[in-house]
This record gives sequence, C-alpha cells and structure tokens, in this order.
Amino acid sequence: EVQLVESGGGLVQPGGSLRLSCAVSGFTFSRTWMHWVRQAPGKGLVWVSHINSDGSTTTYADSVKGRFTISRDNAKNTVFLQMNSLRAEDTAVYYCAKDRSYSLDFWGHGTLVTVSS
Amino acid sequence: QSALTQPRSVSGSPGQSVTISCTGISSDVGGYDYVSWYQQHPGKAPKLMILDVSNRPSGVPDRFSGSKSGNTASLTISGLQAEDEADYYCYSFAGSYNWVFGGGTKLTVL
Repeated sequence: EVQLVESGGGLVQPGGSLRLSCAVSGFTFSRTWMHWVRQAPGKGLVWVSHINSDGSTTTYADSVKGRFTISRDNAKNTVFLQMNSLRAEDTAVYYCAKDRSYSLDFWGHGTLVTVSS
Repeated sequence: QSALTQPRSVSGSPGQSVTISCTGISSDVGGYDYVSWYQQHPGKAPKLMILDVSNRPSGVPDRFSGSKSGNTASLTISGLQAEDEADYYCYSFAGSYNWVFGGGTKLTVL
C-alpha cells in the first residue's frame, strides 16, 4: 500500500523557517519523482516544487523560488521542503505527492503551515 | 506560471452529464498531452481521476472521461451521482519541469 505522511508543519513568525518532511512507503522511492503542492485556506491547489529521482534536478514555482529548497534522502524514503523567509501568504496546507507520468497519483494527508505573528 | 482557467462552478442533476473546461496556452495545455484531473472533497487530499488527458487510473469509474482540443482540456462526468459533488482541478505540465494547476471548479449535484 502506497503511503505518504507529511510532518513538520506548525505556527511560525513572518521571516522564520520550517522544514517539512514526507516519509513514503509502498513504492520504489529512489526511482520516483516527487512534488510539493500547497493549498491556502479556502483556496485552490498550487504546485510548489518538484525533485527528480536522484535529486539532481529541482524546480520551483516563482512564488517560492529562492526561499524554498526541496531535497530527498533515498536511503530514508523521505522528501523534504526547507522553507525560509516565510510570509503570511505561505500559510497553507502543504501536500507531498508522488509523480506518475507528470501527474500526481498519490498524495499525503497534508501538513498545515501558519505564518503569523 | 499563470493558473489554468476553469469555471468557478458547475451543476447538474443526478443522472445528467457535466463538462468542466480547463483553458491554458500553447506552452502548457496545448503543448503536451500531460493534463490530469483531481477530485477533492472538503477536508480531504486530492484524488487523481484522469491522467495523460484521457486515461483513467485503476479504480476510477468510467463515468469520468477526459479530452483535449488545442489549449483547452475537458473533464466530463456522466451519470452524475451525489458523491461526485466536490471540487475539481486540472493540472498540466508546462515545460522545463514546471507544472500548473487550474483555479478549481466546484461541482454541485442538485
């Protein structure tokens, strides 16, 4: 059974940092691209970042470029999202998702990040 | 990286068919056959319903179908059921390992 479990969300002040983790099981993680997607309260889904199977290629939405960093540890079946210089508009539920043919076939339950003073 | 354009809401009665459109540009929807659709019920994670424009993953009812013409993709749900009431999002590859979602469509089953 495919499982993705996010952790690391919480309340952080503007300008602060958080590191999200997504532990996966049930598929060959080391051969799979991964993504982070976010959803602000009451709003739509927004693609945030992608990482290829060996971590050599990473891409970001313009809104987070230069502030967020995606990485992975294939030995621990985990993908990360380091979020720096957080802003109020980064407040959202953050989902990690597994790539399949440029779609997202399995998703975690999400972790809530709240940026507020 | 502008969001794809979807109608904010659509509605239909049980048993009817509805179609949700998703309009992009030649560098995303129009340029690749990598459009997918997601269903999201309140408080839940999204669920993949269609990938590669028109392919259904295992377990998705054949009432759900997808298509594309030019820069516009479409999701059609036939034989509407009460449990189909949800938000629906399209998603497209946009080149250079970037992706973009549509703004989402709320489906109401009357």
